[in-house]
Amino acid sequence: DQQVKQNSPSLSVQEGRISILNCDYTNSMFDYFLWYKKYPAEGPTFLISISSIKDKNEDGRFTVFLNKSAKHLSLHIVPSQPGDSAVYFCAATIGGSEKLVFGKGTKLTVNP
Amino acid sequence: DAEITQSPRHKITETGRQVTLACHQTWNHNNMFWYRQDLGHGLRLIHYSYGVQDTNKGEVSDGYSVSRSNTEDLPLTLESAASSQTSVYFCASSESTSSKIQYFGAGTRLSVL
Repeated sequence: DQQVKQNSPSLSVQEGRISILNCDYTNSMFDYFLWYKKYPAEGPTFLISISSIKDKNEDGRFTVFLNKSAKHLSLHIVPSQPGDSAVYFCAATIGGSEKLVFGKGTKLTVNP
Repeated sequence: DAEITQSPRHKITETGRQVTLACHQTWNHNNMFWYRQDLGHGLRLIHYSYGVQDTNKGEVSDGYSVSRSNTEDLPLTLESAASSQTSVYFCASSESTSSKIQYFGAGTRLSVL
């Protein structure tokens, strides 16, 4: 039973436009969410996170939105750049646990 | 700079052989994790450790073992390699803080023939 779902395996956008990556979760106990970015042949790197007590967190071109009632979060990248082309993983955790539960990832391609 | 390193980066082995993948971190983090990444499955947790002499099973632990004899290392052992264990393996570490951020190694690509 998949607790963190990224239903879009891939997304393609034009350079300069907005990229929106979505993530849904089923476990209402999750209270902290993270996004990771992964390039081929490299390990995932942390991008941005959000606590369940917030509904938005922003870091430069990256913004994460959390809708707890819908159990949904999204990552917005504005403006998108070709260097943003990577696989993006959504992850969630429960307070008191150090474990992360990952989604399957979404491959973002930003076309010049 | 502190880092987390995995070795080897690539490994080819035969079914039935014992294989050990190394993970070494210089962050001095208490928490260490092993994941496997497969197409269509994302990152799945194999084993994890919250400190020296502590080990715990993750979601897909069958056929794998770990040991934690010091803070820096968490080797992953495949007792008898199977073709189903062909995968990319990632090690990660983290501090026990509210941030929950895990830092990943570059991965080991393992092929079991």
